[in-house]
Amino acid sequence: GAGVSQSPSNKVTEKGKDVELRCDPISGHTALYWYRQSLGQGLEFLIYFQGNSAPDKSGLPSDRFSAERTGGSVSTLTIQRTQQEDSAVYLCASSAIGTSAANTGELFFGEGSRLTVL
Amino acid sequence: RKEVEQDPGPFNVPEGATVAFNCTYSNSASQSFFWYRQDCRKEPKLLMSVYSSGNEDGRFTAQLNRASQYISLLIRDSKLSDSATYLCVVNIWNTGGFKTIFGAGTRLFVKA
Repeated sequence: GAGVSQSPSNKVTEKGKDVELRCDPISGHTALYWYRQSLGQGLEFLIYFQGNSAPDKSGLPSDRFSAERTGGSVSTLTIQRTQQEDSAVYLCASSAIGTSAANTGELFFGEGSRLTVL
Repeated sequence: RKEVEQDPGPFNVPEGATVAFNCTYSNSASQSFFWYRQDCRKEPKLLMSVYSSGNEDGRFTAQLNRASQYISLLIRDSKLSDSATYLCVVNIWNTGGFKTIFGAGTRLFVKA
């Protein structure tokens, strides 16, 4: 489809293992965001990519978390040495913000990757 | 102080009621505003943008007061299907770059 695609949709892992979560944004969207949402909580900003600019990593909770965006398209969020408190839904969103003056910045979200750390 | 603050919830209302959600933002560099809806265990989706002149979409009316840094959402004749969490969202452009800030959300329960 033409929407934001995330994989895997569900991931169960053991404490201490590394995980990679993938996001494929809408074609042509220059902005890509990662958020985290724990059960019953609001969205927690993690990282923001915009075109070729340096990413805004100010929301990453620790150095175990990293993200990259290759070729300005697909992004991977990596969590090293997972902990139980990392269990959450990881949401990716993309936006056409910056592609035209008329664009107001609506975010289009993927369905999320639900991570469970045992 | 959080950059975007919303009414604490949950709101429990009967079908047909009118309900209003409020949101305040602290950064005067905020430039665009939205209400998103998030259903249980689903991703957020845009409900409506919020314009300075106010805008209406069916039973939903959004208002923006830049002077008071305040945004509202009014739902008239509420339906069972309106039950969801409503998120206030602000886009900020300043010398530090661009940010999209989500409020914590207000949960609405509409009951028969």
